[in-house]
Amino acid sequence: GQQLNQSPQSMFIQEGEDVSMNCTSSSIFNTWLWYKQEPGEGPVLLIALYKAGELTSNGRLTAQFGITRKDSFLNISASIPSDVGIYFCAGAPGTYKYIFGTGTRLKVLA
Amino acid sequence: GAVVSQHPSWVICKSGTSVKIECRSLDFQATTMFWYRQFPKQSLMLMATSNEGSKATYEQGVEKDKFLINHASLTLSTLTVTSAHPEDSSFYICSARRTSGVQETQYFGPGTRLLVL
Repeated sequence: GQQLNQSPQSMFIQEGEDVSMNCTSSSIFNTWLWYKQEPGEGPVLLIALYKAGELTSNGRLTAQFGITRKDSFLNISASIPSDVGIYFCAGAPGTYKYIFGTGTRLKVLA
Repeated sequence: GAVVSQHPSWVICKSGTSVKIECRSLDFQATTMFWYRQFPKQSLMLMATSNEGSKATYEQGVEKDKFLINHASLTLSTLTVTSAHPEDSSFYICSARRTSGVQETQYFGPGTRLLVL
């Protein structure tokens, strides 16, 4: 199936550093969702975005819906070891059927 | 937040047998649920869209007779892997669509790991 381009694919960072990742698409999306998945578990919803330009925070996480509606960004501030996991973006070009990014694997060095 | 459960969380079966996986939305009604398959270190691949009271919609390349989906109520969808073979071993994850006005999100279950011997 179709997938979004998500980058970076993986990253190692020092504890306390800020993290940025993004997803881009050739299609316009109406909704962007960001999830975190830990090994052996299902993805957990972090942030949902519904309007172009929208900026939404959830604790140390901030995500933005790109104004072109073809991209979205997720930032994690002051990373901690429990931020380890795989982060997925998901975009919906229409209603309800989402396309998932390839994931960003985050590893935090204490 | 919305809660979606899956049962069983893991299952081991012999080749040729059928396995049923349940997906329940615990605190909201979901007319639409989704079934995904995930291989190690890969993203989620949509298998089918489960619609309450109607036939499921399968993605290209997914055998509908192999992966039977039933969405008999607003809180329950089941995926049955029929005549399972080792290549069907995977992590299966369901999600449920929740709407609030014009906004919608998907909430995922914890996944079911299937191992076919």
